[in-house]
Amino acid sequence: QSALTQPASVSGSPGQSITISCTGTSSDVGGYNYVSWYQQHPGIAPKLMIYDVTDRPSGVSNRFSGSKSGNTASLTISGLQAEDEADYYCSSYTSSNTWVFGGGTKLTV
Amino acid sequence: EVQLLESGGGLVQPGGSLRLSCAASGFTFSSYAMSWVRQAPGKGLEWVSGIRGGGTTTYYADSVKGRFTISRDNSKNTLYLQMNSLRAEDTAVYFCAKDLYTNTWGWFDPWGQGTLVTVSS
Repeated sequence: QSALTQPASVSGSPGQSITISCTGTSSDVGGYNYVSWYQQHPGIAPKLMIYDVTDRPSGVSNRFSGSKSGNTASLTISGLQAEDEADYYCSSYTSSNTWVFGGGTKLTV
Repeated sequence: EVQLLESGGGLVQPGGSLRLSCAASGFTFSSYAMSWVRQAPGKGLEWVSGIRGGGTTTYYADSVKGRFTISRDNSKNTLYLQMNSLRAEDTAVYFCAKDLYTNTWGWFDPWGQGTLVTVSS
């Protein structure tokens, strides 16, 4: 499976909002509402931030939200904070009963 | 508290084999699907393999199918990844990850700290 397409980098100032896109195909992102987003700080294991396109695990700030339109999913972070600076990865279930990640987006705050 | 501790990584020659382990604690291990995800140095995440709680249903990425085997011992609360015919492109940190909820598949949370596998002559 080919990796999902994400922008290599995005940036924003504290307090602003940013959106990271994640583009796939009808065999993954567009075919299922099974998109998740992970945050990874340098040298640390990834952390689940969003699952099922829009749901947040317990303990994740409501500043993080997800959406999807067609073959593209999006992660929006509002009220940017310095600690949000990290790499972000999207993931989607695929028609092959497997999971595929995006290439990752480096967020600079 | 959920804890996942990977072990078994190291340096191996191309064509060689390695078995990774992931010792789990803090939850009812047999009730959760588990997965292996890897990250090559300086690169992104790649899902490798997954296994349902009962251990009889397994899934693999095309890049490792036929070379890697995932398994679990629910009596020992341990997840395994047997890696054969290793290639340079298998060099990565290998993370094990628990599913977020029972009876789900693919919401990886939390993750272990990872173990480094280096394939080189």
